[in-house]
Amino acid sequence: SQTIHQWPATLVQPVGSPLSLECTVEGTSNPNLYWYRQAAGRGLQLLFYSVGIGQISSEVPQNLSASRPQDRQFILSSKKLLLSDSGFYLCAWSVLGSSPLHFGNGTRLTVT
Amino acid sequence: DQQVKQNSPSLSVQEGRISILNCDYTNSMFDYFLWYKKYPAEGPTFLISISSIKDKNEDGRFTVFLNKSAKHLSLHIVPSQPGDSAVYFCAARVSGTYKYIFGTGTRLKVLA
Repeated sequence: SQTIHQWPATLVQPVGSPLSLECTVEGTSNPNLYWYRQAAGRGLQLLFYSVGIGQISSEVPQNLSASRPQDRQFILSSKKLLLSDSGFYLCAWSVLGSSPLHFGNGTRLTVT
Repeated sequence: DQQVKQNSPSLSVQEGRISILNCDYTNSMFDYFLWYKKYPAEGPTFLISISSIKDKNEDGRFTVFLNKSAKHLSLHIVPSQPGDSAVYFCAARVSGTYKYIFGTGTRLKVLA
């Protein structure tokens, strides 16, 4: 069966520090991969999605970036965090066709 | 603009009664609709989905209705149980893409 791993579960970082969140999927090949963010009291905002290695679609212009170095690995990065980057970051995967998204357990990021 | 809206931030229902959660979307460029349930500090869990070519889909206690002319989606939970208390998100996939847009969520509280 397919599983998704996302780490770390919680992270506290100072303003201006770099960020790297990692997500890996097991049990499926060539998944579509996604990064979402849920800010406090808000809905789920799509940040990036990828349909293949090296193919990244950015939905929100900001100081975050995403990379997909391997088929089942998706990384969210920032060179310098802002206070507004605080939130709950969720990685998700899907396969082709009418397939739902399946989410990881998320990373709670607090920028201080 | 591709928007999915959940206009009710919260809903309280007695145990055993029906819970009806609503979602509206602003354009017709969505081909697949989904409902998710989310507990605090966890990733959303997929509940049920419906293709744009259908108007109803059932899975146990959960039924999703799609009214394309009204651009309206609803989730019925019958009978409601205390364990259903969570935040529910509706989502829609943009036609011809793998991009999923989420609503802002409705917090359901089922009272024992």
